[in-house]
Amino acid sequence: DAGVIQSPRHEVTEMGQEVTLRCKPISGHDYLFWYRQTMMRGLELLIYFNNNVPIDDSGMPEDRFSAKMPNASFSTLKIQPSEPRDSAVYFCASSLVDGTAFFGQGTRLTVV
Amino acid sequence: AQSVTQPDIHITVSEGASLELRCNYSYGATPYLFWYVQSPGQGLQLLLKYFSGDTLVQGIKGFEAEFKRSQSSFNLRKPSVHWSDAAEYFCAVNLDSSYKLIFGSGTRLLVRP
Repeated sequence: DAGVIQSPRHEVTEMGQEVTLRCKPISGHDYLFWYRQTMMRGLELLIYFNNNVPIDDSGMPEDRFSAKMPNASFSTLKIQPSEPRDSAVYFCASSLVDGTAFFGQGTRLTVV
Repeated sequence: AQSVTQPDIHITVSEGASLELRCNYSYGATPYLFWYVQSPGQGLQLLLKYFSGDTLVQGIKGFEAEFKRSQSSFNLRKPSVHWSDAAEYFCAVNLDSSYKLIFGSGTRLLVRP
């Protein structure tokens, strides 16, 4: 298996633009997570899905953030409109039933 | 509230020396415990995990960790550090069988030649 695949690896966008981050989880994993990593706040869980259904989105910072999982092999995290404070590395992870999470390489987002 | 504490922000060790990274959690029951490593510009890689049973667990790259219930700790150890071990290390817990991982703030390991 290729592991968790995220795209793009790097994204630079202007403030106010829409940004879409993509994730392909490991086949057979029932859980998918979106994390954000910053120097100030460390690793924060934004949202997670179980069998494509959002379970807990309490970490989503604002209504500007939304996430979808239309099928078991694809998820998106969208920021609209983007702001400079959204600059961070965004990780997608998928996990086994026992909670062991496997992470993608991340998307480094810079909003200027 | 549940929390994970990694008290050391940075640790510097000489190559070949032993290493211990500390992790404490605050939770009433025994959670699932994990250690991850992150190299610069990379994602997080699982080193090892503890669910139950033998409190000393072996992981990849020669790492091990010991769960001590009385101290609510899950410290990571390696007997002899290699320069390639320089990275950031994260302790994480999975609470309430919710499958959510709560991460510590990380410890950055520097290795002196």
